[in-house]
Amino acid sequence: DGGITQSPKYLFRKEGQNVTLSCEQNLNHDAMYWYRQDPGQGLRLIYYSQIVNDFQKGDIAEGYSVSREKKESFPLTVTSAQKNPTAFYLCASSPDRNQPQHFGDGTRLSIL
Amino acid sequence: AQSVSQHNHHVILSEAASLELGCNYSYGGTVNLFWYVQYPGQHLQLLLKYFSGDPLVKGIKGFEAEFIKSKFSFNLRKPSVQWSDTAEYFCAVKLPYNTDKLIFGTGTRLQVFP
Repeated sequence: DGGITQSPKYLFRKEGQNVTLSCEQNLNHDAMYWYRQDPGQGLRLIYYSQIVNDFQKGDIAEGYSVSREKKESFPLTVTSAQKNPTAFYLCASSPDRNQPQHFGDGTRLSIL
Repeated sequence: AQSVSQHNHHVILSEAASLELGCNYSYGGTVNLFWYVQYPGQHLQLLLKYFSGDPLVKGIKGFEAEFIKSKFSFNLRKPSVQWSDTAEYFCAVKLPYNTDKLIFGTGTRLQVFP
């Protein structure tokens, strides 16, 4: 079945550590997105990529970094500069910017 | 800044009751509108979308939404809810000048009791 796979499902980080969240899709979608979901705040866009080797900052990019070396993969690194990283992170993809987005199951990141 | 408002944060209904969840957005031009649902333990799924044409949009599982341009609204409705509709519902807007970005509302948690 085609879909979006996010791993791991749960992730724990120590203060000062960088961690990388994986997002892989086999839908052959060009566009990929990373959102952060906090209680009572809905989803906020962190980064997005419309094509391989290109990505753009979303509304809350500070403290995060991404890469898009392959069409299928869009990993998100939460750096030590992100002061409040505890959240639920959602990856999405769409065939192009004009189509609805499909979402993965999410990764819940917690700080130890 | 453009925003999406969902005024009902938590809705509790009995089975067979009718549902209407409000969604208002703040942009005055042409927009694309979406409702997504997140069932417990599952990923966000698209319920329905509006791009153009008939303002009454029918989605999956008996849901529908009506786009009222004069009210900047896109309310979600279902005539008779089921226990399996228990989920969180998100309204989202895509602006024509920035189709890269979905602007989400804060979500409405629906609990349906048998």
